[in-house]
Amino acid sequence: QPVLTQPPSASASLGASVTLICTLSSGYSNYKVDWYQQRPGKGPRFVMRVGPGGIVGSKGDGIPDRFSVLGSGLNRFLTISNIQEEDESDYHCGADHGSGNNFVYVFGTGTKVTVL
Amino acid sequence: QITLKESGPTLVKPTQTLTLTCTFSGISLSTTGVGVVWIRQPPGKALEWLALIYWDDDKRYSPSLKSRLTITKDTSRNQVVLTMTNMDPVDTATYYCAHRRVQYSVRDPFDLWGQGTMVTVSS
Repeated sequence: QPVLTQPPSASASLGASVTLICTLSSGYSNYKVDWYQQRPGKGPRFVMRVGPGGIVGSKGDGIPDRFSVLGSGLNRFLTISNIQEEDESDYHCGADHGSGNNFVYVFGTGTKVTVL
Repeated sequence: QITLKESGPTLVKPTQTLTLTCTFSGISLSTTGVGVVWIRQPPGKALEWLALIYWDDDKRYSPSLKSRLTITKDTSRNQVVLTMTNMDPVDTATYYCAHRRVQYSVRDPFDLWGQGTMVTVSS
């Protein structure tokens, strides 16, 4: 099954941009990844899904246009442009793997985003 | 509007069985394609997928926890129940339920989540 690797932290000044990365382990370059936002003390919220060609499907409910995604090789990127205070959150990536009795859903370790 | 809410004990003792209930509205597990999943998050740690159940009673479990988990649905009550046996302090976590759909064999993301319920395992 794939391993999803995320850096533990990222930061950006208010109004600037930050790009988060979720790296799939070797051999899984065709996988789609789901991004989730988790504000402090809250449950996760779906942001959007990204595959090798970019966004897959629709953004989650209420996700602003300043959130965008890109896929390249083993990397799945989430970019927050014009970052706002309310974007300060943990961001998790996750992916489906397998089918039937071999199905699993794997998560990365999450990236904590700080707005400076 | 779809909502999900987790409920269950806040404290369980080691070796006991945990029973959690996810009560939802705005969806029905009698509708083709609908699924409910359970995910947990130990304090300060990553999310971990536990189990899922679909409208057709198809069930999937995390391989590492499969022997301890049972997921069931009560369609008439709009509830999904997760039981976890032989609880240990390492199972201390916030437990979430979430919604997903399967459409034309494509599995959608976990698009809507409950607020979570914190469970502490301690004697």
